[in-house]
Amino acid sequence: EAGVAQSPRYKIIEKRQSVAFWCNPISGHATLYWYQQILGQGPKLLIQFQNNGVVDDSQLPKDRFSAERLKGVDSTLKIQPAKLEDSAVYLCASSPGHTQYFGPGTRLTVL
Amino acid sequence: GESVGLHLPTLSVQEGDNSIINCAYSNSASDYFIWYKQESGKGPQFIIDIRSNMDKRQGQRVTVLLNKTVKHLSLQIAATQPGDSAVYFCAVQNAGYQKVTFGTGTKLQVIP
Repeated sequence: EAGVAQSPRYKIIEKRQSVAFWCNPISGHATLYWYQQILGQGPKLLIQFQNNGVVDDSQLPKDRFSAERLKGVDSTLKIQPAKLEDSAVYLCASSPGHTQYFGPGTRLTVL
Repeated sequence: GESVGLHLPTLSVQEGDNSIINCAYSNSASDYFIWYKQESGKGPQFIIDIRSNMDKRQGQRVTVLLNKTVKHLSLQIAATQPGDSAVYFCAVQNAGYQKVTFGTGTKLQVIP
């Protein structure tokens, strides 16, 4: 069974630029999550989708972050404009129930 | 909101010994408790979970203990191997809502 796919794996941008991350969840998983993981910390939930609807985006900085999950499958997370403190690994996970399956993450460096 | 913490940032154990990683949580209404293992450059990997109506659950070489009275969770790894070296996160999940709150992580170093 294929796992959660994410791209790109690495991205380096300058502050105030825009960036987008893509996630393809495991087939059939209704729930999709985006997490931000700053070095040395645990993942922090940014947004949770159930199919193509948002369940929780309370920790998403909506002035600069946006996410969508068209057709309830793939998802994109965008940052515009990026700040230095956005440097982190962005993890996507999907779940058929309680257990979450994580992708490898996208490491973002903002200079 | 929920806060989840671990007692030690780094744990070093001799290969073959047992490892115990501890975690404290704050929300007594939490329903699921999960342990994840994260190796360098990879996403977290599910290890084992336990529901709030249980106090112990065993897997292959791993045991999770839950003490709801003191809001404490532990992961025990038997006969620790070099492949167990990673960062271990505890996480708590609300019933039905599936929102997961992660702790800060404990780095397990296995000494050959």
